[in-house]
Amino acid sequence: QKEVEQNSGPLSVPEGAIASLNCTYSDRGSQSFFWYRQYSGKSPELIMSIYSNGDKEDGRFTAQLNKASQYVSLLIRDSQPSDSATYLCAVNKDGNKLVFGAGTILRVKS
Amino acid sequence: DAGVIQSPRHEVTEMGQEVTLRCKPISGHDYLFWYRQTMMRGLELLIYFNNNVPIDDSGMPEDRFSAKMPNASFSTLKIQPSEPRDSAVYFCASSATYGTDNSPLHFGNGTRLTVT
Repeated sequence: QKEVEQNSGPLSVPEGAIASLNCTYSDRGSQSFFWYRQYSGKSPELIMSIYSNGDKEDGRFTAQLNKASQYVSLLIRDSQPSDSATYLCAVNKDGNKLVFGAGTILRVKS
Repeated sequence: DAGVIQSPRHEVTEMGQEVTLRCKPISGHDYLFWYRQTMMRGLELLIYFNNNVPIDDSGMPEDRFSAKMPNASFSTLKIQPSEPRDSAVYFCASSATYGTDNSPLHFGNGTRLTVT
């Protein structure tokens, strides 16, 4: 079992729709959860972090965490073509390691 | 703020040659990380340093890989001898406080390594 699992996609959504990205993790001791966005040929950049169960909203982005189910998600409202990228879920492990999922490719079609 | 600076951006070398990748973290950041990204394995943590001291190198694939951080503003990742399976994008990242909301990992632009 991979430590952080994501559906590789691609996930295709029309412009203006909600994109829903999901991630599961294996280490029940994990306390910090992050979503990074990576454009093709570029480096990852942090877009959201979440530490407590529930929802965290930042602009068009909402991160959701359910530690009992070991599940993290990212919702992108009013998706734009500029949101087309690979979204990486990252989870801390053993306190100081940040383990990344393989990423989900998102394509927003105009 | 110049960000994390990596060099070279691209490296093409022949199997068996030594490869040295370089990284300058953001000034004031006391954590430095080396990641490797491939299509097959995604983004893997190789090693990380705190205050120039290697903390965890369990991700280093084998003895051919070594990393050093002689001072707070410079780190190297060396592969000797290089093999075609080492071909990947190598990222360096730094953080003031590991992976927190106030100080996320800042990634460099990466070095694309091709070993023929």
